[in-house]
Parts: sequence; C-alpha cells; structure tokens
Amino acid sequence: QSALTQPASMSGSLGQSITIPCTGTNSDVGGYDHVSWYQQHPGKVPRVLIYDVSDRPLGVSNRFSGSKSGNTASLTISGLQAEDEADYYCISYMASVTTTFHVVFGGGTKVTVL
Amino acid sequence: QLQLQESGPGLVKPSETLSLTCAVSGASISNDNDYWGWIRQPPGKGLEWIGNIFYTGSTYYNPSLKSRVTISVDTSKNQFSLRLSSVTAADTGLYFCVRIVSTWYRLFDPWGQGTLVTVSS
Repeated sequence: QSALTQPASMSGSLGQSITIPCTGTNSDVGGYDHVSWYQQHPGKVPRVLIYDVSDRPLGVSNRFSGSKSGNTASLTISGLQAEDEADYYCISYMASVTTTFHVVFGGGTKVTVL
Repeated sequence: QLQLQESGPGLVKPSETLSLTCAVSGASISNDNDYWGWIRQPPGKGLEWIGNIFYTGSTYYNPSLKSRVTISVDTSKNQFSLRLSSVTAADTGLYFCVRIVSTWYRLFDPWGQGTLVTVSS
C-alpha cells in the first residue's frame, strides 16, 4: 500500500502557525476531495480534525484548517497551543483499477510546541 | 450516540490467530453509507490500515496483510470481527475499530478505545 508523504516531525512556537503537508498523487490527494486529518495524543484515540479537505466537524477548534493544492493537502494549526503537541495523520481516498482497496494513509507528523 | 468497543484477548502466542470483535452501539451497522474498519498501531509507530467491511460482507484488505486477514460482520449482533492468522511479534500493537463514513472514505469517526494485543509466548 503506497503511503502519503508527511514530514516525520515539525515544530513551532506558542502562538505561531504551522502547516503540515501531506503529499500524494493524482490518484488520491490530487484527484479527489476526500482527505481527512487526525490528531493523536500519546496513548489516546485519534480524533478527526478535518474531512473532505477543509470541512471541520462540530466541536473542532477553528484554529485547525485544511486546504489542498495539486497533489498536496495541508493542515494548518493557527495560534499554536501547548495542547496541540501531538501526532497528526492524513488519510485519503485512492482510486485504483488494479487493486481492491481505495484508501491510503500518511506516515504521521509529530508536532512539538516550543 | 454511536460508540464502538473492541474486545478480545490481550495476549496471543506466536503462530496463533488474533481474534477481536468490535461491538457497535447507537446505530445500525446495516446502513448503505458506512464501512466498518480495523486499524492498528505498533508501539511508537504510525497508524496502519488493516481493512474494512460493508454490512453486506464485502471486504477490502491491506495487501501487505491480505493473506492473513479475515474481517467478518454479524448484523444480528451489530458487530464485526477481525482475525489475523500466523501472528508474530511484529503484530503487537494497539488495535482500533472505527466507523468509516462513506464508501469514499470521507472520515474515520468514531474510533473505539483501542485494545492492546501483545504477541508473545
């Protein structure tokens, strides 16, 4: 299963903004608007932050926003707070005529708040 | 409110079969919109998709695990299950069940609490 590419780690200072990229191909991220983002604190259950590239579920802070350009989707965290220190994962629908599965995951990005 | 809860042995011997069940409450598993999936996370590593199932029984598996994985659904009990055969230490990790909204994999929510499975003799 091909993985979406995310940087292994990123850091930002309190109050700053950080943008996490998630790069795929025109068969997944670039071809469809079904990219979602998840936050996972150590030992906790992943929580959805963004779906369909830029939609936010009820209850998710508007400090989290999503976008896409070409084959790269991005999650932006504005006004970084200490509690934003976590792992972040992207997931995308993937079209394929050669396989029977249609989903691809990113490897995750560990965000450190300085 | 939709909730998922995993259950099963926390310790499995090498070469044996890992079996987990996910009980779904708060909504019917028999709906035309959702998949029901399994995801795992080895200690200190990222999320890995294992596979998912539609209530009709149609299944989709990660090709790296396909030869060892079986996911099944029991609509009468509103639950679905995972079997992973010939396990090794590399199969140790946290196993989550999850509802996948839409056959377009639009979002994964909610997740079960996760169950830790250790493969060891």
